[in-house]
Amino acid sequence: DTAVSQTPKYLVTQMGNDKSIKCEQNLGHDTMYWYKQDSKKFLKIMFSYNNKELIINETVPNRFSPKSPDKAHLNLHINSLELGDSAVYFCASSHNRDGQPQHFGDGTRLSIL
Amino acid sequence: GESVGLHLPTLSVQEGDNSIINCAYSNSASDYFIWYKQESGKGPQFIIDIRSNMDKRQGQRVTVLLNKTVKHLSLQIAATQPGDSAVYFCAENGYNFNKFYFGSGTKLNVKP
Repeated sequence: DTAVSQTPKYLVTQMGNDKSIKCEQNLGHDTMYWYKQDSKKFLKIMFSYNNKELIINETVPNRFSPKSPDKAHLNLHINSLELGDSAVYFCASSHNRDGQPQHFGDGTRLSIL
Repeated sequence: GESVGLHLPTLSVQEGDNSIINCAYSNSASDYFIWYKQESGKGPQFIIDIRSNMDKRQGQRVTVLLNKTVKHLSLQIAATQPGDSAVYFCAENGYNFNKFYFGSGTKLNVKP
């Protein structure tokens, strides 16, 4: 009965590879997000989708491409991985786009070798 | 610009004492604030929120105070328990209702 689930939990890969992280929410929420948390625990928003429409796109390299096949899923694809991409990536969802608490998944720890 | 900061990066308290975690924000347009708790290996978990038309809101053992004059937010935890040990983040929504800016976090250590 996990509310926001993301897979995989851990991802270890070589520099230059392409990888994807999947996220699903079963809360019936309209809005989903991707955040990056660095080694100092700083959380920064990357993207947000509302009903499959991109509404927030921070200054993220275009190697990062979110995809929302439906409003319950928001996947993150990363091309040509770099050392600086090592971080924990969190998916989150909220009821709608109008100032609501966000429910977070447990994160995907990405380590680039 | 929008920024959210925390006065104390680490706070150690004795079990049973009250804890106060502080947060400063710089965007006077922010009208919605949230406190999150993050345990090791987990995602942030919603604790309590407050809108700018209020200055105090209480939950179960937690109280959030908002002082818009000095752009200050605090989280008070009553009778702190070992299970409260975690990193606590405040977040504000700045100019965008849906785009939250997180502070750098305060680690709360509860000593038995």
